[in-house]
Amino acid sequence: GEDVEQSLFLSVREGDSSVINCTYTDSSSTYLYWYKQEPGAGLQLLTYIFSNMDMKQDQRLTVLLNKKDKHLSLRIADTQTGDSAIYFCAERQAGSYQLTFGKGTKLSVIP
Amino acid sequence: KAGVTQTPRYLIKTRGQQVTLSCSPISGHRSVSWYQQTPGQGLQFLFEYFSETQRNKGNFPGRFSGRQFSNSRSEMNVSTLELGDSALYLCASSQTGTAYEAFFGQGTRLTVV
Repeated sequence: GEDVEQSLFLSVREGDSSVINCTYTDSSSTYLYWYKQEPGAGLQLLTYIFSNMDMKQDQRLTVLLNKKDKHLSLRIADTQTGDSAIYFCAERQAGSYQLTFGKGTKLSVIP
Repeated sequence: KAGVTQTPRYLIKTRGQQVTLSCSPISGHRSVSWYQQTPGQGLQFLFEYFSETQRNKGNFPGRFSGRQFSNSRSEMNVSTLELGDSALYLCASSQTGTAYEAFFGQGTRLTVV
């Protein structure tokens, strides 16, 4: 079965880089996603990566994928206080329309 | 372009009652999915609809049901509410396509007392 794991908390100083890690178990996952959730809000899609890619960059966000180790990371450059939120990693299996989410990593940015 | 709209935003119901939640997807999106979010279980998939047909269903009891209308709007229904059904219910809409980017609404916060 599929499982997605993330560390629960991360604390960084404003201006530093944040790296949020995620591991998944299903080798048939085709797409992997990062979502952001602020208090009282829904999920905001940040970025996604296809499983045949190693890296994707989008402004301050860099996604790295290590398929061999089933490890995904999200790097946020120049972290701002507005980046404080819970970040979810999610995977989607080939042929499925269901997303499987990790428990989320709460990012706290210290001014 | 308007985002995904969920109504109502908040609901308080009594055990044993039933509830219907509504989701209007982004214009042009034909796939609608529902998720339950709780502090203990996190985000769990309920079901997904495309062109009025349920394509995927999660591991929830039959008290949870849904449907999709010809205009892609979707509703989910929970019957015989239990305290454990208290959660944030999130709806997501997607275009068909390989990336299947799912865009979420603000959610409906259901409290069962």
